[in-house]
Amino acid sequence: SQQGEEDPQALSIQEGENATMNCSYKTSINNLQWYRQNSGRGLVHLILIRSNEREKHSGRLRVTLDTSKKSSSLLITASRAADTASYFCATCGQLEYGNKLVFGAGTILRVKS
Amino acid sequence: EAQVTQNPRYLITVTGKKLTVTCSQNMNHEYMSWYRQDPGLGLRQIYYSMNVEVTDKGDVPEGYKVSRKEKRNFPLILESPSPNQTSLYFCASSLWPAKNIQYFGAGTRLSVL
Repeated sequence: SQQGEEDPQALSIQEGENATMNCSYKTSINNLQWYRQNSGRGLVHLILIRSNEREKHSGRLRVTLDTSKKSSSLLITASRAADTASYFCATCGQLEYGNKLVFGAGTILRVKS
Repeated sequence: EAQVTQNPRYLITVTGKKLTVTCSQNMNHEYMSWYRQDPGLGLRQIYYSMNVEVTDKGDVPEGYKVSRKEKRNFPLILESPSPNQTSLYFCASSLWPAKNIQYFGAGTRLSVL
């Protein structure tokens, strides 16, 4: 399976601290995406990084991609209570680009105020 | 407003009683997909559709049916629901291919008694 695996499964930090979540996957990818899910709600796209990119920024978010290690990280800087959510990585395989994204099990982030 | 609309949001039913969960998008997306989300398992794809009248199985299609008669609609049909189909279901759409950003509905929480 190509499924991404997030690490850690859960993370609890104080407001203002940085949060780092990691994602590992198994096969060659076209791109990797990060999504956020507030409790029981639909997923919201955060950022997409292509296989030929190494780093991408969006506001307080920074995503890195290391295709040699088949891993990615999502850094949220200066976290806020509103960042409390589950975060998922999703990979789109080189061979399956037409068909699907494969999601990991997610990291639950809790930001305490 | 661009959105994916699922109905109903909550549904409690009994084993064997056929049900349909509707999904509609207003973004003229070719690609639509159904996922189920279970604790610790992330999102798993049930079925997807690359365009009208073109559907295919995802990772967990058993017990489900879909149809794509119109571009905007992609209903999920459970002909004879069973308790192991109790889950949180999400519809998503994107431009084809699936490597593009996915837009998710708010989810349907289904309980089969």
